[in-house]
Amino acid sequence: NAGVTQTPKFQVLKTGQSMTLQCAQDMNHNSMYWYRQDPGMGLRLIYYSASEGTTDKGEVPNGYNVSRLNKREFSLRLESAAPSQTSVYFCASSRSDLEQGYWTDTQYFGPGTRLTVL
Amino acid sequence: AQSVTQLGSHVSVSEGALVLLRCNYSSSVPPYLFWYVQYPNQGLQLLLKYTSAATLVKGINGFEAEFKKSETSFHLTKPSAHMSDAAEYFCAVSAGAAGNKLTFGGGTRVLVKP
Repeated sequence: NAGVTQTPKFQVLKTGQSMTLQCAQDMNHNSMYWYRQDPGMGLRLIYYSASEGTTDKGEVPNGYNVSRLNKREFSLRLESAAPSQTSVYFCASSRSDLEQGYWTDTQYFGPGTRLTVL
Repeated sequence: AQSVTQLGSHVSVSEGALVLLRCNYSSSVPPYLFWYVQYPNQGLQLLLKYTSAATLVKGINGFEAEFKKSETSFHLTKPSAHMSDAAEYFCAVSAGAAGNKLTFGGGTRVLVKP
């Protein structure tokens, strides 16, 4: 299993350009997530998808759109990139499991995409 | 609404010394709590999680954490630091199980001195 894969690993954009970050998982997980990581702020949720065909906004959705293409793939699109979107972007997936009588949902993360907007 | 506070953005420990990373949370419902580790230029890896089964949780690489409801804390410890423990550590909370969103703390970067 490759787990969660992300492409590209690095990207430099000019202000106003658009791009799509790709994410795929091979663990048959239902839920998928996009986060951004900025120094001192931990990870903040941009969008998530609880199941194929559904998406919902997270904490910082402005300037982004997502597509849950199928169960495996969840893409993040920047329509008009801004310098404030310079960040490291992480995709994650999760599945609910019953452990010791409790439902638990553990997220597994991809390696990240480092994006710079000039 | 949920939030997580990690005290200390940077911690320096000597090899062989105790590692203690502090995490306090707030949650309007019984929380699920997690510790993740991030090595340089990598994604996050789960260290351990609390899901109400036991208050003392053991994780990978010799780490453990204790859930204290009265203190709203979930501090991470390791008795003896190793050079390979140098990384950034994140505490996170979710409000429940299925498909739930995580709220992360700001992270604590651990430096291990020989």
